[in-house]
Parts: sequence; C-alpha cells; structure tokens
Amino acid sequence: DGGITQSPKYLFRKEGQNVTLSCEQNLNHDAMYWYRQDPGQGLRLIYYSQIVNDFQKGDIAEGYSVSREKKESFPLTVTSAQKNPTAFYLCAAGALSSYNEQFFGPGTRLTVL
Amino acid sequence: AQKITQTQPGMFVQEKEAVTLDCTYDTSDPSYGLFWYKQPSSGEMIFLIYQGSYDQQNATEGRYSLNFQKARKSANLVISASQLGDSAMYFCAMYTGGFKTIFGAGTRLFVKA
Repeated sequence: DGGITQSPKYLFRKEGQNVTLSCEQNLNHDAMYWYRQDPGQGLRLIYYSQIVNDFQKGDIAEGYSVSREKKESFPLTVTSAQKNPTAFYLCAAGALSSYNEQFFGPGTRLTVL
Repeated sequence: AQKITQTQPGMFVQEKEAVTLDCTYDTSDPSYGLFWYKQPSSGEMIFLIYQGSYDQQNATEGRYSLNFQKARKSANLVISASQLGDSAMYFCAMYTGGFKTIFGAGTRLFVKA
C-alpha cells in the first residue's frame, strides 16, 4: 500500500528517557513534517524537511530532534529536555507544490510515565 | 499575524441533513491555500478539500464543498447529506508559503441517527 507509516501506534516511556518515533513514506514526496497534537487542540509544527540532509525548526522544536538521511524516512527523537512529551504525534509528507497538500500517517500516541 | 479560527467546539447534525462548519482566517499574504481535514477517532488526518486564494469558484469534492468568502476571510466547510461516518474532528488549515501550514483548534461533529 502507498502511504505513510508510523510505528508504534502507542508508546510508553519512563520520564528522562529519550524515545524515537519512526515515520516512513513511499509516496516519493520531498517534504516531510512532524506535528504534535494535544487533547482538544489543533496541530503544531515541530520540524520539517524539504530535502535529504536538511531540516528546519517549526514552532515548538525545543526538546525534539530529527534526521533526514533518506528521502523515505524522517524519525523524530523526543529527548528528556522536552518538558511535557505526552501527546499524539503525527507525521506528514507532501510534494513541493504551490499549495503544500500534506498526507498524514496514522500517528503515534506517546505517554511518558 | 497569521491565524485560523474555528469558533464551534462541537456541532450536532441529524443524519441526512447538511451541516456547515465555520472557519475564519487572517493573513496579509495575497497568495494562500485553505484546507479542511477530517480526523476520525483513529487519529489520522484525512484531506477533504482545498481552496486556493485565486480560485474563482468554490471547491467541491463529492459531499464536501467549501464556501469561500474572500472579503470576509471565511472558508466554511459544508457537508451535505450527513452520514454516521462523518462523526469526527474537522480541522481548517491555511498555507501561505514557506512550508508551514497552520491549523485551527478543530470542530467536533456528531451525527445523530
């Protein structure tokens, strides 16, 4: 199937541990994005990448890190510096077009205990 | 400042009736795109419809139409003939370039049988 995969669906970690969320796409899109969603709220941009080996901070990048070593993959690491990491994380990919339509993965719900 | 406002936290509609979800936006950029996404309880974001700022006609996709009123800066989503499967969160979003899309807080739609 074509699309975006995120794994796992649910993730539990102890406070103080770094955790990496995976995001893979087979849509051949250049741009990839990570968003955070808190209950009852919209999406906020964490990081985005337009091409391999390049990425930019979004609105809430503190406490997060990313890499883009391959076009298909854009993993997000939630570090211990992130003060409130429990949230729903969505990955998206899109073509570098004039209107930036994005296609989303199923999301990972991270709970830090 | 660029902003998306969705003033309806929750909406109820009877099955088979039409419903309008409100969205207003604020930007000083003349070129922008407006999106609506559906988020079912499973969490993934599903693209519904897109309207470009220079598009002369309102966008339509099946049972979805976007009522674009540029002077009022509104981009309301109209769902005709509501179905039980339409129960979900709906997000309005805006893209103005720079690979950043901003999202509203969402409206939860409940379809009653």
